[in-house]
Amino acid sequence: DGGITQSPKYLFRKEGQNVTLSCEQNLNHDAMYWYRQDPGQGLRLIYYSQIVNDFQKGDIAEGYSVSREKKESFPLTVTSAQKNPTAFYLCASSIPAGEGGETQYFGPGTRLLVL
Amino acid sequence: GQQLNQSPQSMFIQEGEDVSMNCTSSSIFNTWLWYKQEPGEGPVLLIALYKAGELTSNGRLTAQFGITRKDSFLNISASIPSDVGIYFCAGQRDPSGSRLTFGEGTQLTVNP
Repeated sequence: DGGITQSPKYLFRKEGQNVTLSCEQNLNHDAMYWYRQDPGQGLRLIYYSQIVNDFQKGDIAEGYSVSREKKESFPLTVTSAQKNPTAFYLCASSIPAGEGGETQYFGPGTRLLVL
Repeated sequence: GQQLNQSPQSMFIQEGEDVSMNCTSSSIFNTWLWYKQEPGEGPVLLIALYKAGELTSNGRLTAQFGITRKDSFLNISASIPSDVGIYFCAGQRDPSGSRLTFGEGTQLTVNP
């Protein structure tokens, strides 16, 4: 049963704490992504990784960190430097398709709430 | 940042009606993707388009890749209550990269 899993579904954080969101995929996809979604808004790219041991900042990387030690896993750490971390976090992975295109598939998301 | 204009922002329709939404950009895209998101869930891929002029169907859904490569539309025929959700378009500009640009979504409400 292939897919993308994110855990936990809900996560509560106290101010000043770092928290790590898990993302695992068994689709054998090379590229993985983290997005943030705020109420009533679209998706904003935090970080992405096109290959193991390499990753790039997206549009809103400040206050976040990632690692890509394994192809299947791309954890996201929300650090205390992120001033407004309450949001819905989505992980995605992609596979080449079409003429140089990529098709991205999303996980079920993690909702982070700061107490 | 966002470079796709998605419209309409929201739609309220009666069950059985057809729906049309679109995305436009000033930039050329080489891939267009359409997703549906339900509350508290991740977006689910509906249709992927890879060639200018391509018209693809998935059940009651039909999407087209504009011939200018700067737009795409999604049609839903004979809407049903479970069509409710937010529909996002996404485009990929750079064939050598994998970043997507997303529209801000169309919120669809279907009244039984």
